[in-house]
Amino acid sequence: DAGVTQSPTHLIKTRGQQVTLRCSPKSGHDTVSWYQQALGQGPQFIFQYYEEEERQRGNFPDRFSGHQFPNYSSELNVNALLLGDSALYLCASSQGRRNEQFFGPGTRLTVL
Amino acid sequence: DAKTTQPPSMDCAEGRAANLPCNHSTISGNEYVYWYRQIHSQGPQYIIHGLKNNETNEMASLIITEDRKSSTLILPHATLRDTAVYYCIVRVGNNNAGNMLTFGGGTRLMVKP
Repeated sequence: DAGVTQSPTHLIKTRGQQVTLRCSPKSGHDTVSWYQQALGQGPQFIFQYYEEEERQRGNFPDRFSGHQFPNYSSELNVNALLLGDSALYLCASSQGRRNEQFFGPGTRLTVL
Repeated sequence: DAKTTQPPSMDCAEGRAANLPCNHSTISGNEYVYWYRQIHSQGPQYIIHGLKNNETNEMASLIITEDRKSSTLILPHATLRDTAVYYCIVRVGNNNAGNMLTFGGGTRLMVKP
């Protein structure tokens, strides 16, 4: 039974570019959440998708957008990258309304 | 969601019990206490959660005080692999409005040989 998978593992971009990160949830899970974790900080909630709709959103600008596909996988898109967007981006999946979330290994994004 | 307070760091000897405290004095009656941990360079891992009764699973025990204003996560026999940042999170149980987790600074537990 595969856990949460994310791709790519590492990514380097330059300021102003756009990036797409991908996440496949744990088998049987239908809800996907995205978190940003800056170095030395705890993860910060970006948004959550359920039934292909954004159900909840944290305090992140519109440059951060997402999508959930019918197979429950998800993408996180960030436009007009800033140096401050450099972070570990974590995807977590859960089943419905359950708070027990299973996290993937993350994608390390570096913006130069 | 209620705010939590944890010590920034703790040490524990290998093989001894690690007791990680968390203060959540503003917790509401419908809020649960969740614990996650994050081992270096990995995503956070769910450990345990509880409402008011003490809970135990294969990873840890959770002791919640009678007034629910604080709790303690207990790792009964800490190993070097338990070195991680431990996060205490308080939030409403299964919720139609979404189940975002709010992470604070956590406690960095160092298990020493």
